[in-house]
Amino acid sequence: DQQVKQNSPSLSVQEGRISILNCDYTNSMFDYFLWYKKYPAEGPTFLISISSIKDKNEDGRFTVFLNKSAKHLSLHIVPSQPGDSAVYFCAASDGNTGKLIFGQGTTLQVKP
Amino acid sequence: EAQVTQNPRYLITVTGKKLTVTCSQNMNHEYMSWYRQDPGLGLRQIYYSMNVEVTDKGDVPEGYKVSRKEKRNFPLILESPSPNQTSLYFCASSTSGRHLMSYNEQFFGPGTRLTVL
Repeated sequence: DQQVKQNSPSLSVQEGRISILNCDYTNSMFDYFLWYKKYPAEGPTFLISISSIKDKNEDGRFTVFLNKSAKHLSLHIVPSQPGDSAVYFCAASDGNTGKLIFGQGTTLQVKP
Repeated sequence: EAQVTQNPRYLITVTGKKLTVTCSQNMNHEYMSWYRQDPGLGLRQIYYSMNVEVTDKGDVPEGYKVSRKEKRNFPLILESPSPNQTSLYFCASSTSGRHLMSYNEQFFGPGTRLTVL
């Protein structure tokens, strides 16, 4: 039973365009959401997060949107750069435990 | 340099031979956790520790043991490894925030690729 789902295994975009990565969750108790980026042969690195009391959080080229009623979050990267090519994981937590649930990941390829 | 280290980075072993993967962090973090990454399944949490002497099961704890005797170390023990434990393993650490939220912004180690024959 996958509580956090990333239904697109891969995404390809042109450099300079917008990349939109999507994530759905089923547990209404989740109140904190994060995005991690992972390059091959490295551990994941934290990218951006959002609390359930917000619907948007922005950090430079990266913006995360949260739609609680739809149990959906998305990561927007604008403009996309070739160095953004990586696997992106969304993750969720209920804030009261130490558990962190990850999605399956989406591989983003940004073409020059 | 602030980091999470794991050893070994690569390991090939045989079924039933006990092994330990070490994890150490130098950031004085209270929270530490182990994950495994498998194709199509993403990262799944094995065990986590909110502080010294406190450990809890994640989503896939079967076949694994952990201990947290010191703040900086969180070893992962496979008492009797089986082929279905062949995977890429990551250790992570973070602070434990007042509202338990900052622990989510975890620093990950470089990974340990384990093959059980």
